[in-house]
Amino acid sequence: EVQLVESGGGLVKPGGSLRLSCVVSGFTFNTYTVNWVRQAPGKGLEWVSSISSSGYYIFYADSVQGRFTVSRDNAKNSLYLEMNSLRVEDTAVYYCARETLGVVRTFDIWGQGTMVTVSS
Amino acid sequence: VMTQSPATLSVSPGDRATLSCRASQSVSNNLAWYQQKPGQTPRLLIYGASTRATGIPARFSGSGSGTEFTLTVSSLQSEDFAVYYCQQYNDWPLTFGQGTRLEIK
Repeated sequence: EVQLVESGGGLVKPGGSLRLSCVVSGFTFNTYTVNWVRQAPGKGLEWVSSISSSGYYIFYADSVQGRFTVSRDNAKNSLYLEMNSLRVEDTAVYYCARETLGVVRTFDIWGQGTMVTVSS
Repeated sequence: VMTQSPATLSVSPGDRATLSCRASQSVSNNLAWYQQKPGQTPRLLIYGASTRATGIPARFSGSGSGTEFTLTVSSLQSEDFAVYYCQQYNDWPLTFGQGTRLEIK
């Protein structure tokens, strides 16, 4: 069974940092681009970042550029999101999502998400 | 920018629902639709503007190209009432519409 399991969310003060992890199973992780997508409470979806299978190509939304860093460890089947200088508006459920095979930049399998709350 | 309309659509079970998505500039046919039910993660329905993803029932259909797109759900079933998002993947940054809530009339 294909699975993506996020962890690392929690409550953090504005200006603080947090590191999210996503461990995958059930597919060959090192052949897929993977992504972070977030959803603020009661709001819509916002793409955050993408990292290619090798980690060579990396893209960020303007809203997180310079504050968030995505990385992956293919040996550990893991994806990470290092979040610094957190703002109240970063409060959201953060999902890791696999790129659809054969349809680049779409998302076919999603994790259940981890909640990040930025509040003083 | 991706703009979806209407924000909420009330339709009776068995009827047809038509959801719209407009792009501020052409995205060719690089447009996907997702369904999200309460408490669940999004599910990919359509990609390439009109191709159903694996396992998606034939009552879901997509059309359009360039800047105007439509998702049609024919003969609505109870499980189809959810929020629907369009997403362009023509260029970075990847962007979603704000969603259309499809509710039971």
